[in-house]
Amino acid sequence: AQTVTQSQPEMSVQEAETVTLSCTYDTSESDYYLFWYKQPPSRQMILVIRQEAYKQQNATENRFSVNFQKAAKSFSLKISDSQLGDAAMYFCAYRSVGSQGNLIFGKGTKLSVKP
Amino acid sequence: DSGVTQTPKHLITATGQRVTLRCSPRSGDLSVYWYQQSLDQGLQFLIQYYNGEERAKGNILERFSAQQFPDLHSELNLSSLELGDSALYFCASSPRSEGTGSATDTQYFGPGTRLTVL
Repeated sequence: AQTVTQSQPEMSVQEAETVTLSCTYDTSESDYYLFWYKQPPSRQMILVIRQEAYKQQNATENRFSVNFQKAAKSFSLKISDSQLGDAAMYFCAYRSVGSQGNLIFGKGTKLSVKP
Repeated sequence: DSGVTQTPKHLITATGQRVTLRCSPRSGDLSVYWYQQSLDQGLQFLIQYYNGEERAKGNILERFSAQQFPDLHSELNLSSLELGDSALYFCASSPRSEGTGSATDTQYFGPGTRLTVL
């Protein structure tokens, strides 16, 4: 079975600085998808970024980018120019290709942004 | 706004009771997923329906059941409630039942239903 591990329960960053959240996963599959979801205090789950495992190029979405290391099974999220609105729980998630389409989540990292 | 709606937003009930949570997926989405978020278990997949049929089961208790109706809305039924069932229950929808590589595979989450069992 696939597992997702987020080893940083909490992180803190100064406004306008850059922060990297870590995620590792375990799978025997060769093709899959990885996601970062953001959960602000409102509790809404918001998709931040997605990565297809077959793509070598790291995904980017404005200030958010990932460092996908397939061999190391690592999928970190970099937030540049951090803003107060980035403060939230961040969840890394895995999804298989085909078969079941459900997401497998890590435990989350709580990000605080200091003004 | 993701386009996924869930009702009610909050639900407070007593142990032993039964409740029904409702989810309306985004327009055109055929798949509905139910997830439970609790402090001790984190975010866990419960069950998935695709176009009215059960497609996959996760860590769903026998006391819990779900269904998807012809209009594609889904209901999650929780019975014989225990204190440990207190959690945030999310519904998510996507166009397909499995991951296919398309960007449209993304699961969009509703705002959740906060269940408190006293």
